[in-house]
Amino acid sequence: ILNVEQSPQSLHVQEGDSTNFTCSFPSSNFYALHWYRWETAKSPEALFVMTLNGDEKKKGRISATLNTKEGYSYLYIKGSQPEDSATYLCAFLTGFQKLVFGTGTRLLVSP
Amino acid sequence: EPEVTQTPSHQVTQMGQEVILRCVPISNHLYFYWYRQILGQKVEFLVSFYNNEISEKSEIFDDQFSVERPDGSNFTLKIRSTKLEDSAMYFCASSEALGNTIYFGEGSWLTVV
Repeated sequence: ILNVEQSPQSLHVQEGDSTNFTCSFPSSNFYALHWYRWETAKSPEALFVMTLNGDEKKKGRISATLNTKEGYSYLYIKGSQPEDSATYLCAFLTGFQKLVFGTGTRLLVSP
Repeated sequence: EPEVTQTPSHQVTQMGQEVILRCVPISNHLYFYWYRQILGQKVEFLVSFYNNEISEKSEIFDDQFSVERPDGSNFTLKIRSTKLEDSAMYFCASSEALGNTIYFGEGSWLTVV
């Protein structure tokens, strides 16, 4: 059974703090890793699709790295803002085109 | 920006009733999916659909579930005889091609009583 783990489960930081989360996934049969940002009552917003070992992607203040050999990805947020408060989900793409999700990291940024 | 839309946003149904959840995927997308999240659990895959047929389904997707693309725009999930444990948020998603970004709708919250 494929298992994707995320840590921490939740995080509370102050505005301006930088933060990072971890996603662990199986290191064999890797196809891609997807990151999503999910605000309550909205659709999960696609952040990154990461495919190559050593990949590093950036979108504004958010960036992500990928290590497929050891099976982890980090998501970084630089200078967190209250509007960054959301649940951040990672999902491992299997060869059958299905996403296996982690439990998510719930981020709360206080002003 | 194009988006995946779902209706209804929330439905309450009696156990044993049939439910149809509707989705309009992004117009040029070819791959369609249903996922669900039971409260407090992970988002889990149900089914993927391409070229008018199911390409992959999970063990959750038993004979009570079916999907259909009745016309060029809609993609539906039908649950024939709902059970209490079907209560969940159901997400529709679509992608343009294999390996591309998968875009999700806002979800349909189903409560079975």
